[in-house]
Amino acid sequence: NAGVTQTPKFRILKIGQSMTLQCTQDMNHNYMYWYRQDPGMGLKLIYYSVGAGITDKGEVPNGYNVSRSTTEDFPLRLELAAPSQTSVYFCASSGIGQGTGNTIYFGEGSWLTVV
Amino acid sequence: LAKTTQPISMDSYEGQEVNITCSHNNIATNDYITWYQQFPSQGPRFIIQGYKTKVTNEVASLFIPADRKSSTLSLPRVSLSDTAVYYCLVGDIEIGGNNRKLIWGLGTSLAVNP
Repeated sequence: NAGVTQTPKFRILKIGQSMTLQCTQDMNHNYMYWYRQDPGMGLKLIYYSVGAGITDKGEVPNGYNVSRSTTEDFPLRLELAAPSQTSVYFCASSGIGQGTGNTIYFGEGSWLTVV
Repeated sequence: LAKTTQPISMDSYEGQEVNITCSHNNIATNDYITWYQQFPSQGPRFIIQGYKTKVTNEVASLFIPADRKSSTLSLPRVSLSDTAVYYCLVGDIEIGGNNRKLIWGLGTSLAVNP
């Protein structure tokens, strides 16, 4: 059971380039999330999905796009990378159970630098 | 959503018990209290969750007073490997998907010294 797997682990982008961060989970979770975490700060929600085909904006969606064609996969697309998007990105998922059934499971993070 | 306040940092020594208190004065009736742990260069990891009184698992204990306006995460006999950031989160996660409404603050950076 791999949990939440995201790739790549590290990436350097030039300003204006685009890229996709991949995320997959094998826990059959309905909910998936993308967060970014700037140094010394808490997590900020970028986008989330409540199931295949359904996505919605979080707190900081500008400059990003997502899709959810399957339950397992939730890629994050960065268009026209900017230095402000230099951050650590975490993909996460959770079930729809009550109480601890809603525990959020995180991937190991993707470190992105835009130069 | 209930706003939480917790100390920015704490220091401890190996073998000691560490208590991290979180204030959440405007907690709602349906809100749960959840704590996550984050090691450097890793994603957060669930530690413990509770609604009222006391919850204990193999990692920690969570104490919640009757008014639920605060909670205390207790880590027994910490080791160097417990050095991490600890986040206190409050929200109505009884309904699946409300995790998206959780507010992640700065957390408490715990340093365990030898």
